Amino acid sequence: DVQLEESGGGLVKPGGSLRLSCAASGFIFSNYGMNWVRQTPGKGLEWVSSISSGRSYIYYADSVKGRFTISRDNNNNSLFLHMNNLRLDDTGIYYCARLSLARGVSWFDPWGQGTLVTVSS
Amino acid sequence: DIQMTQSPSSLSVSVGDRVTITCRASQTVSNYLNWYQQKPGKAPKVLISAASNLQSGVPSRFSGSGSGTDFTLTISNLQPEDSATYYCQQTYSTPPITFGQGTRLEIK
Repeated sequence: DVQLEESGGGLVKPGGSLRLSCAASGFIFSNYGMNWVRQTPGKGLEWVSSISSGRSYIYYADSVKGRFTISRDNNNNSLFLHMNNLRLDDTGIYYCARLSLARGVSWFDPWGQGTLVTVSS
Repeated sequence: DIQMTQSPSSLSVSVGDRVTITCRASQTVSNYLNWYQQKPGKAPKVLISAASNLQSGVPSRFSGSGSGTDFTLTISNLQPEDSATYYCQQTYSTPPITFGQGTRLEIK
């Protein structure tokens, strides 16, 4: 069974840091690009960051650029999101999602169950 | 950035009805358009990729169409378990990958 499981969410003060993890199983992790997506009350689903299978290509949403860092460990089938200088509007559920690809078109499948990040003083 | 606009934002329909949700892109996304279903407390699940390709295991009452800037998700013979929020997503011009704001479907 293809599965993704996030962890590392929690309550953090503005300006604080957090590291999210995503454990992958049931597929060859090193063959797939991966993504972080968050869901906030104010903005709905928002793509946060992507990393290619071999780490050659990394992208960020403008809203997190310079504060968040995506990384992966292909030996341990894990994806990470290092979040620094957290702001109130970073509050939300963070999902990791695998990038699936066919005939040039890509989509996210599957998604993990999500981990809640709450930024509050 | 490509903006994705869904309509309506919400709707209430009856079991057995047919419903159409529209997604419009601010510029062409070719057929790089996906549809997701999200139920409360759950992660989104892909229903349709590349505008019209039904994902494995998704009931055939779901269908998608369109290309360029205008797309539709149609659900025929609506069932109680179809109550959810539906999102479109474009992966044509990235980054960023962008989503529509969602359409909340309620079954009367």
